[in-house]
Amino acid sequence: DIQMTQSPSSLSASVGDRVTITCRASQTISGCLNWYQRKPGQAPKFLIYGASSLQSGVPSRFSGSGSGTDFTLTISSLQPDDFATYYCQQSCGVPHTFGQGTKVEIK
Amino acid sequence: QVHLQESGPGLVKPSDTLSLTCTFSGGPINSYYWTWIRQPAGKGLEWIGHIYANGGTNSNPSLKSRLTMSIDSSKSQFSLKLTSVTAADTAVYYCARERPYFGSGSCLEYWGQGMLVTVSS
Repeated sequence: DIQMTQSPSSLSASVGDRVTITCRASQTISGCLNWYQRKPGQAPKFLIYGASSLQSGVPSRFSGSGSGTDFTLTISSLQPDDFATYYCQQSCGVPHTFGQGTKVEIK
Repeated sequence: QVHLQESGPGLVKPSDTLSLTCTFSGGPINSYYWTWIRQPAGKGLEWIGHIYANGGTNSNPSLKSRLTMSIDSSKSQFSLKLTSVTAADTAVYYCARERPYFGSGSCLEYWGQGMLVTVSS
């Protein structure tokens, strides 16, 4: 299986901060990298596909970058609605594996 | 508007078979994978497997020997059966629509709300 490692596992930030979450794959996955947002009691929400393509309706403060094994999710200016847990997922190899999640908390 | 909803027993006895159905609406069945994911309490998300409209499947090797997936396009439903369950199979189970994209990637663009299934006697 391709292992996905996210860092940090949690972070504290304030509204307006720039937040960066990284995701590293155990082998090259080209651009097969997706990002999801999860709030307590809710199903995950799909944010970004293909490492950098924003899903329709997702605010432009979210962006993704990277290729090969190293990927980044950036929130340019953190908003109150963004406090949640974020997961990366690779979809190149079966099984499609997720990172362990990064919890973004209010400072 | 695409909508998915999981249904099935919330309590399953050890060694029995876990059976779930996902009913979807708001879009075509073709051109997508129909996918199951689960999350045990306090643990990460685990991709279980997916099925295509023609019945083709891919599944997690860790579950493959116990897993059967099926799809009924006439009812807009797809199903999961997991045999010989143990407490380790206790989790919130999600169904999702998985969209292929450029290259060989795919993404889980719509999810059901999830359903807790507990394995206990």
